[in-house]
Amino acid sequence: EIVLTQSPGTLSLSPGERATLSCRASQSVGSTYLAWYQQKPGQAPRLLIYGASIRATGIPDRFSGSGSVTDFTLTITRLEPEDFAVYYCQQFGSSPCTFGQGTKLDIK
Amino acid sequence: EVQLVQSGAEVKKPGESLKISCKGSGYRFSNYWIGWVRQTPGKGLEWMGIMYPGDSDTRYSPSFQGQVTISADKSITTAYLQWSSLRASDTAIYYCVRAGTSGWVFDSWGQGTLVSVSS
Repeated sequence: EIVLTQSPGTLSLSPGERATLSCRASQSVGSTYLAWYQQKPGQAPRLLIYGASIRATGIPDRFSGSGSVTDFTLTITRLEPEDFAVYYCQQFGSSPCTFGQGTKLDIK
Repeated sequence: EVQLVQSGAEVKKPGESLKISCKGSGYRFSNYWIGWVRQTPGKGLEWMGIMYPGDSDTRYSPSFQGQVTISADKSITTAYLQWSSLRASDTAIYYCVRAGTSGWVFDSWGQGTLVSVSS
């Protein structure tokens, strides 16, 4: 199974700053098959990005995704207070689909 | 609006059976894969398996094959996850998820069902 390793584990930033989150795969993942989710406390995860770079419906354009093969990045420009949450990457190009362990974005 | 509404929290003892549910609405239930994801503090998010209600094609993660059963009733647009014999290690939040049209990207999530297993 493909292991996804996210870094950093925790990222402490201030509103208005830029966040860069990394997701590294143990084997090649087609960019079509990489997604990012956001989870706030007490809530279910929410789809942000799929196909490595395509924003899901209703997702603000301050969220962007990039990368290919084994290295993927989620960037959030100009952090808003509501962006502080846990972020997960997911691959579904190889079964079983797997998730990263998450990056917690918290307020500095 | 797509909605997945799950059944309520459960408290069970080891060895007991359980079936939790997820009712889909706002879309054509038979035409989208619907699956389950487990969340625990120790292992994070784990994909358990998925079913296509249209033809009952079902796939399981090797980690969960034989441990749970996924099913669906198209007539009432409801998916199920069941255990025949629970273990303490099954304590977790279980989310039902809908896979969208771009592969197994989970574009809708249920609110989660907390299952607690303890003697």
